[in-house]
Amino acid sequence: QKEVEQNSGPLSVPEGAIASLNCTYSDRVSQSFFWYRQYSGKSPELIMSIYSNGDKEDGRFTAQLNKASQYVSLLIRDSQPSDSATYLCAVQSGGGADGLTFGKGTHLIIQP
Amino acid sequence: DGGITQSPKYLFRKEGQNVTLSCEQNLNHDAMYWYRQDPGQGLRLIYYSQIVNDFQKGDIAEGYSVSREKKESFPLTVTSAQKNPTAFYLCASSIRQGPFYNEQFFGPGTRLTVL
Repeated sequence: QKEVEQNSGPLSVPEGAIASLNCTYSDRVSQSFFWYRQYSGKSPELIMSIYSNGDKEDGRFTAQLNKASQYVSLLIRDSQPSDSATYLCAVQSGGGADGLTFGKGTHLIIQP
Repeated sequence: DGGITQSPKYLFRKEGQNVTLSCEQNLNHDAMYWYRQDPGQGLRLIYYSQIVNDFQKGDIAEGYSVSREKKESFPLTVTSAQKNPTAFYLCASSIRQGPFYNEQFFGPGTRLTVL
């Protein structure tokens, strides 16, 4: 059974600080890793994808992957109130069309 | 505008009825997916399809059925056999590049309530 674990939160971060979100996964053969942002009542929006070990930066977002530790993280720099949302970590085993395995999400609150 | 559309946005069903949720995409994506989300939970995979006229069961396919007669369309039927169908249903799609499929993008979702 593939599992993706996230701390449900809420994680409260002051505006302008760095928010750090973490995710662990159980399937060692996982190849693709994604972070989605979901506002209340809305569908998930893809914000980052990462496929190889190391860091990947896109604007204020940095995804970090460590396959040996089966760990993925998302850093949000200069956090804004609009970043307040639930962040879902998703993992895919191969490069095929298999569906994603999702964590339950971390609820992030940015305090003005 | 390119994108994924789902209809209806809200759907109410009486117990014992079958209902069909629509998902259409004009992104020319190859693969399509259905997920279900319950309150406070992550998404769970119901069915997925890589090509027309072919689809595979996901983790929670019991009580659901799908068809893929056109590349653009992947409707989901929630049957009366689904014990607890009240949930937020999300359709997604992804494009194939060589042997790999890229990121999945989601439609706006259908919120189904059983009365």
